[in-house]
Amino acid sequence: DQQVKQNSPSLSVQEGRISILNCDYTNSMFDYFLWYKKYPAEGPTFLISISSIKDKNEDGRFTVFLNKSAKHLSLHIVPSQPGDSAVYFCAARWKVNALNFGKGTSLLVTP
Amino acid sequence: DTGVSQDPRHKITKRGQNVTFRCDPISEHNRLYWYRQTLGQGPEFLTYFQNEAQLEKSRLLSNRFSAERPKGSFSTLEIQRTEQGDSAMYLCASSLGGDRSRNEQFFGPGTRLTVL
Repeated sequence: DQQVKQNSPSLSVQEGRISILNCDYTNSMFDYFLWYKKYPAEGPTFLISISSIKDKNEDGRFTVFLNKSAKHLSLHIVPSQPGDSAVYFCAARWKVNALNFGKGTSLLVTP
Repeated sequence: DTGVSQDPRHKITKRGQNVTFRCDPISEHNRLYWYRQTLGQGPEFLTYFQNEAQLEKSRLLSNRFSAERPKGSFSTLEIQRTEQGDSAMYLCASSLGGDRSRNEQFFGPGTRLTVL
């Protein structure tokens, strides 16, 4: 069963605007959440993370928000740049350090 | 380059053959993970090592799969009697141990396996 869900397979945003990528999860035992970015023919690259005891973490243009009551997190990219075009994976960790990944959202930032 | 490396990057084999992949983690990382990714899916956890001990195996890891990390450094993943359904990208990741709040996993470039 898919415990981490990214319901939008793709997203297109204009350069300079905000990109918002969403992720929902079902397991309330998840204690740590991560976002990864993946280019074709490469492995996922760690982007930003957040502990379940926090509701926001910011790193430069990237901010992750966590709403535990809704079991929802989102990644905001401001401003979006063409180099941000990639597939973004949401991942959640529980107990044994294995990450549960969503299916990914393909972001296209157009000039 | 001090990141996670994997070898080979691509492997084409015939059904029924055995294949072995290698992963070299980031040198100070004592945790090592194997994942599998198929088209349109996110990576799926296969197994996890802390140093040389294999501590967790997913039910995805059938008895045709075996992973080792003999000296707590590099790891190998072997698939015996490959099947077409084994075709996927095999990803290795590593992380620091200790404080769980800082063990983000760092991934290698993957080995793409095609079984004909």
